[in-house]
Amino acid sequence: KAGVTQTPRYLIKTRGQQVTLSCSPISGHRSVSWYQQTPGQGLQFLFEYFSETQRNKGNFPGRFSGRQFSNSRSEMNVSTLELGDSALYLCASSLQGLVADTQYFGPGTRLTVL
Amino acid sequence: ILNVEQSPQSLHVQEGDSTNFTCSFPSSNFYALHWYRWETAKSPEALFVMTLNGDEKKKGRISATLNTKEGYSYLYIKGSQPEDSATYLCAFMTPGNQFYFGTGTSLTVIP
Repeated sequence: KAGVTQTPRYLIKTRGQQVTLSCSPISGHRSVSWYQQTPGQGLQFLFEYFSETQRNKGNFPGRFSGRQFSNSRSEMNVSTLELGDSALYLCASSLQGLVADTQYFGPGTRLTVL
Repeated sequence: ILNVEQSPQSLHVQEGDSTNFTCSFPSSNFYALHWYRWETAKSPEALFVMTLNGDEKKKGRISATLNTKEGYSYLYIKGSQPEDSATYLCAFMTPGNQFYFGTGTSLTVIP
């Protein structure tokens, strides 16, 4: 079974631009969560999608948004990029995002904002 | 914002030593605790999902315990091997399905 894939793996943008990251979950998984990791910080939860609906949201500004398609693939968008948005963005999928479901992480997208 | 703390921040042990780390989390509003191993240049890999007070889980030489009443979980590695070198993360899951990660314990096993 193929794992979670994320594209692109690396991205360089300048301040003020916007960016879209993509995540394809494991086949059959319907929950996709997004995380941000910056130097010195642990993984921070951005949001979770299930059946095309945002079910949960972390404490991030509205510049961070996402969506999920009917095939469970998810995209994350960051508008008006700031230097502080430079980070590793990870997505994780699980069957239904239930309490005992295991999350499987993708390899991440490394975003650099200049 | 919930505070999830892991200690120690880093650890160097000799091959063959046994070791353990701690994850502390709020004792209220508990839903689940997840442990992950994150090797350099790889994706975080799930180790355990723990949901009940007193839970003990084991996977090979790695085991974990959970105390939800006092808000801590221990991860044990018996007979550490160089391939165990990684960052070990715990994540506290709330009833709202949000995850709060600790900053991890970086383990280096010296051959």
